[in-house]
Amino acid sequence: DIQMTQSPPTLSASVGDRVTITCRASQSISSGMAWYQQKPGKAPKLLIYKASNLESGVPSRFSGSGSGTEFTLTISSLQPDDFATYYCQQCNSYPRTFGQGTKVEIK
Amino acid sequence: EKQLVESGGGLIQPGGSLRLSCAASGFTFSSYNMNWVRQAPGKGLEWVSQISTSSSNIYYVDSVKGRFTISRDNAKNSLYLQMNSLRAEDTAVYYCARDRALYGNVFDIWGQGTMVTVSS
Repeated sequence: DIQMTQSPPTLSASVGDRVTITCRASQSISSGMAWYQQKPGKAPKLLIYKASNLESGVPSRFSGSGSGTEFTLTISSLQPDDFATYYCQQCNSYPRTFGQGTKVEIK
Repeated sequence: EKQLVESGGGLIQPGGSLRLSCAASGFTFSSYNMNWVRQAPGKGLEWVSQISTSSSNIYYVDSVKGRFTISRDNAKNSLYLQMNSLRAEDTAVYYCARDRALYGNVFDIWGQGTMVTVSS
């Protein structure tokens, strides 16, 4: 199974900050990476697909990069609506696996 | 509006069985692979199972193999998860999710989830 290691587990930031979350795969997944946002009590929401493609309707302050085993999700200017938990997911092989999550908190 | 609505969750004793359902609307259900994903209380997301459009390809996470069975009825626009021999560690919110295979096999539409609690 491909293990996804996400860091940091928690991130404290202020509105307007640039935020970067990292996800490392235990073996190469090419560009088979997705990023999701989840708010308490709600289902996850797709943000990024195929490592760097912005899902329709997602604000352009979100971006993804990377390939192979190293990936990042960047929020260019954190907004109040962005305080949530973020998960990476490899979409390259079975079982599909998620990172442990990164909770973005208000500083 | 594209929508998925889960049902069937509840409180069940260890060793018991439960069948979850997911009703799809607003899109051509038969054209998409479908998934179940779960989230234990206060924990992260765990993919559980996937079924292909014609039910010809089915995958499970190791921890549920031999106990859970995924199925679908394209005529009824419905996805199912039969859960047998339930354990305390199966306690979670269970989400169904549409698989958008054409754009990276991502989960682009999710239901609201249904809670399964395994406890005596």
